Amino acid sequence: EAGVVQSPRYKIIEKKQPVAFWCNPISGHNTLYWYRQNLGQGPELLIRYENEEAVDDSQLPKDRFSAERLKGVDSTLKIQPAELGDSAVYLCASSLENRLGTGELFFGEGSRLTVL
Amino acid sequence: AQSVSQHNHHVILSEAASLELGCNYSYGGTVNLFWYVQYPGQHLQLLLKYFSGDPLVKGIKGFEAEFIKSKFSFNLRKPSVQWSDTAEYFCAVNRLTSGTYKYIFGTGTRLKVLA
Repeated sequence: EAGVVQSPRYKIIEKKQPVAFWCNPISGHNTLYWYRQNLGQGPELLIRYENEEAVDDSQLPKDRFSAERLKGVDSTLKIQPAELGDSAVYLCASSLENRLGTGELFFGEGSRLTVL
Repeated sequence: AQSVSQHNHHVILSEAASLELGCNYSYGGTVNLFWYVQYPGQHLQLLLKYFSGDPLVKGIKGFEAEFIKSKFSFNLRKPSVQWSDTAEYFCAVNRLTSGTYKYIFGTGTRLKVLA
């Protein structure tokens, strides 16, 4: 079974440029997460989807970040314009979540963004 | 503020030494607890989890963790570490907040095991 697939693995851009990350979750997983991980830190939640609906985007900097999950499957995360502080690894995870919150997260390899 | 704390940021052990990594959380009520591991060059993956029942849970590769409700802790243990346990370990809590679940991670503990 294929795992969570993310692309690109690495991206280097200059500040003020736009960037987009793509995630294909595990087939059948209803919940998709985008996390940001800075060096030496744990993953920080940006947005969580249940099917097509963004159920928690309270941590997403909405002035420059946007996300969508088309047809409840693939998802894209966009930053426009990028700032120096956006340099981080962007992680996508999916799970088959239930009402008890006991679902395991399956992570992709991450997309490492460097903003110059 | 609600948080998940991992006090040991870096741990260095020799092979066969015992391991205990601390994890404390600041949420009341029902929580679901997890430990994830990230081996060098690999993605995060589940090590073990606790929802209810026996507070001592066993995971893969000989790891175990104990949930102590009164201490808000979920410490990870392994009696005898191996060089291949070198990795970064993350504690996580999934808790119902304002009608939705929030899956929160600690800052991680980087473990280096010397051969």
